[in-house]
Amino acid sequence: DVKVTQSSRYLVKRTGEKVFLECVQDMDHENMFWYRQDPGLGLRLIYFSYDVKMKEKGDIPEGYSVSREKKERFSLILESASTNQTSMYLCASSPWSGGGQPQHFGDGTRLSIL
Amino acid sequence: GQQVMQIPQYQHVQEGEDFTTYCNSSTTLSNIQWYKQRPGGHPVFLIQLVKSGEVKKQKRLTFQFGEAKKNSSLHITATQTTDVGTYFCAGLAAGNKLTFGGGTRVLVKP
Repeated sequence: DVKVTQSSRYLVKRTGEKVFLECVQDMDHENMFWYRQDPGLGLRLIYFSYDVKMKEKGDIPEGYSVSREKKERFSLILESASTNQTSMYLCASSPWSGGGQPQHFGDGTRLSIL
Repeated sequence: GQQVMQIPQYQHVQEGEDFTTYCNSSTTLSNIQWYKQRPGGHPVFLIQLVKSGEVKKQKRLTFQFGEAKKNSSLHITATQTTDVGTYFCAGLAAGNKLTFGGGTRVLVKP
């Protein structure tokens, strides 16, 4: 069974802090994704990566950056946290196939920025 | 950019009744996926549709992909309390990027 593990279930940070959210998958998947989930808006893609050291902007990359130094780990960074970044953050992975493979999600990190 | 809309946003269903949730894309899709998220949980993949007009069934759930590959539907018959959750469609237009709809949150009245 695919396991996608996010480092924290709940996190509280202050405005202006640099925040790191970590995600690790154990299935050797090429693709990894970061989404944020807000009520009524579904899942919105922040960034994704299809290989080590590769990254692509999603639909809402502003205020975020990512790092993928190892295949199994994909980090989301909030450079200077703001209150409008309070949200549920979901990490996902999928095998490479040119698209169309199911995504496997972690349990999410509920981030509150005060 | 590509947009995927889902209606309704909320669905209150009496246990035992049927209902349908709809998904519409602004662009033609190469495939569409459906996910279910239980309260407090994470989205879990249910099914993928690829062909125009394709219909797939999973027990009481029937998924359909439109002829023009721009819309999809999920029909649940004889709703049970275990069907509670939010159902998301996600469309793949190009590349490796899924675009998720806003979800239909299903509440079941016993």
